[in-house]
Amino acid sequence: DVKVTQSSRYLVKRTGEKVFLECVQDMDHENMFWYRQDPGLGLRLIYFSYDVKMKEKGDIPEGYSVSREKKERFSLILESASTNQTSMYLCASSLSGLAAHEQYFGPGTRLTVT
Amino acid sequence: AQSVAQPEDQVNVAEGNPLTVKCTYSVSGNPYLFWYVQYPNRGLQFLLKYITGDNLVKGSYGFEAEFNKSQTSFHLKKPSALVSDSALYFCAVSGGIYNFNKFYFGSGTKLNVKP
Repeated sequence: DVKVTQSSRYLVKRTGEKVFLECVQDMDHENMFWYRQDPGLGLRLIYFSYDVKMKEKGDIPEGYSVSREKKERFSLILESASTNQTSMYLCASSLSGLAAHEQYFGPGTRLTVT
Repeated sequence: AQSVAQPEDQVNVAEGNPLTVKCTYSVSGNPYLFWYVQYPNRGLQFLLKYITGDNLVKGSYGFEAEFNKSQTSFHLKKPSALVSDSALYFCAVSGGIYNFNKFYFGSGTKLNVKP
């Protein structure tokens, strides 16, 4: 079974802090994704990566950056956390290729910024 | 632009009755369509997908979905609902042939199955 793990289930940070969210997958997937989930808005793509050191902005990249130094690990960084970044953050991975492949999701990190 | 709409925030159904969760999409080129389920405090789990071929797709836990190109819809169905099906359901579309690695999710539909 594909396993996607996220470093924390719950996180509380203060405004202005630098926050790191880590995601690891064990299935050698090329693609990795970071989403945030908010009630009534569904999932919105923040960034995705299709290879090591490669990244592409999603729909809401402002205030976030990412890092992918190894194939299995994809990190989301909040440079200076703000209260409007309080949300559920979901990491996902998938195979690449012309045929669209389903995404496998981690359990999520619920981040609260106070 | 690619997009997905789930017109119902919530669907209520009695156990044993058939259920339908609606999804419409907009994408350039041929769509790749997906359904995911999210149980409380969990990540999303893949249910089924349509890539090509038969318009009726069967997936996990007895769910199926019907692809209708003329109506640009991909509704999720189950002949007989279970209380354990109560969860949040998301429809998703990939970005089409030029952007197939990006996915667009609907806002989600909460399914409540009452005993």
